[in-house]
Parts: sequence; C-alpha cells; structure tokens
Amino acid sequence: KAGVTQTPRYLIKTRGQQVTLSCSPISGHRSVSWYQQTPGQGLQFLFEYFSETQRNKGNFPGRFSGRQFSNSRSEMNVSTLELGDSALYLCASSLALAEGDTQYFGPGTRLTVL
Amino acid sequence: EDQVTQSPEALRLQEGESSSLNCSYTVSGLRGLFWYRQDPGKGPEFLFTLYSAGEEKEKERLKATLTKKESFLHITAPKPEDSATYLCAVQAGVIQGAQKLVFGQGTRLTINP
Repeated sequence: KAGVTQTPRYLIKTRGQQVTLSCSPISGHRSVSWYQQTPGQGLQFLFEYFSETQRNKGNFPGRFSGRQFSNSRSEMNVSTLELGDSALYLCASSLALAEGDTQYFGPGTRLTVL
Repeated sequence: EDQVTQSPEALRLQEGESSSLNCSYTVSGLRGLFWYRQDPGKGPEFLFTLYSAGEEKEKERLKATLTKKESFLHITAPKPEDSATYLCAVQAGVIQGAQKLVFGQGTRLTINP
C-alpha cells in the first residue's frame, strides 16, 4: 500500500508571497492532519480535515488555511509568507474509525522563506 | 492544556548499551500515546501506540510501556542504525474523533559503533 505523499518536497519563496502544499493520504484514510515542524517549536498541530470538513484547528494565524477534497486529498495554503514560516510541513493521515487511530506521516515539504 | 515532556534531550550510547527514554504527559482524557522515530529530513515513522496504563508493546530492540503519567521507550542492545530522534505524542481532547496529536520535543539518540 502506498504511503502518504506530499508535493512539492522543497519550496523556496520570498516574504509576502503565498504557497500551496499538497497531500495525498493512504488509500482509504479519511482524516488528514497538518503539522509544522521547526527546530525551536518542534512539531505543532495546524489543523485536521475529515470528510471535507475542518474538525480541529491549532493556534496558528488565519494566514494558514486548508481544505480537503472528496477523494480525501488535502491542500494547505499559507498567504503573506513571513520569515518565521520557514519549516518542514508534515501531513499525516489516519482511518479515523476510532479514537486513538494511528496517524501515518508523509515525508514533508521543506519550505524556505527568504 | 495538554503537555508532553521528553527526557533526555539527547543521549549518546555505545553499541550494545541498553537504555530508556522517558515521556511524561499531562492530558485530560488520554485516547492514545504514540511513539515515532524520525530520521533527519524525513517524516516521522510510526513505532507504537499505547492506550492504557500497564500496556506494553515490543518491536525488535524496542519496547514501549505506559503508566498513568509517563511512557518509557526501552532500547535493548542498540545498533548504530537505531540512531534517530524519537518522538512521543498524545492524542487527547474533547472533540470526539479529532486526530490532534501533541508532541514532545523529542530525544536525539546517537549509537556509536
């Protein structure tokens, strides 16, 4: 079974631009979560989508948004990029059939903001 | 607020030298505690899920245990390929079914040959 895939793997943007990252979950998984990983803050939860609805949201500004399509694929968008947005953005998927279901992570998208 | 604290931050061991990593947590309504391994530049790789105090799981040289306040990841006779950052995360909260994970800062493990 194919794992979680993320595209692109690397991105370089400048301040003020916007960016869209894509995530394809494991086949059959209906929940997609997004995380930001930085050396200083570690892994932090951004938001979770389930059946095309945002079910939970972390403490990030409104510049960070996302959506999920009917095939469970998800995108996240960051508008008006800031230097501090440089990070590894990770997507994780799970069956979400029960609480405590395991989340499987993709390889991440490395975003560098200049 | 849910919190996860891992110790030590970094650990260097000789090949074959067994040790344990600690994960302390403060949550309301634990739904699951997860251990992941992360290699540099890669996404976290799933290792174990623990659901209730007293539960133990093993995989090769790794064994994870859970109490009401902490979890341990025991590494027996480690090899250099076990070098990685080990992450602990909890799933908790009041939104039914929500998949939010709260992570610790990780333990960076180095195994010298």
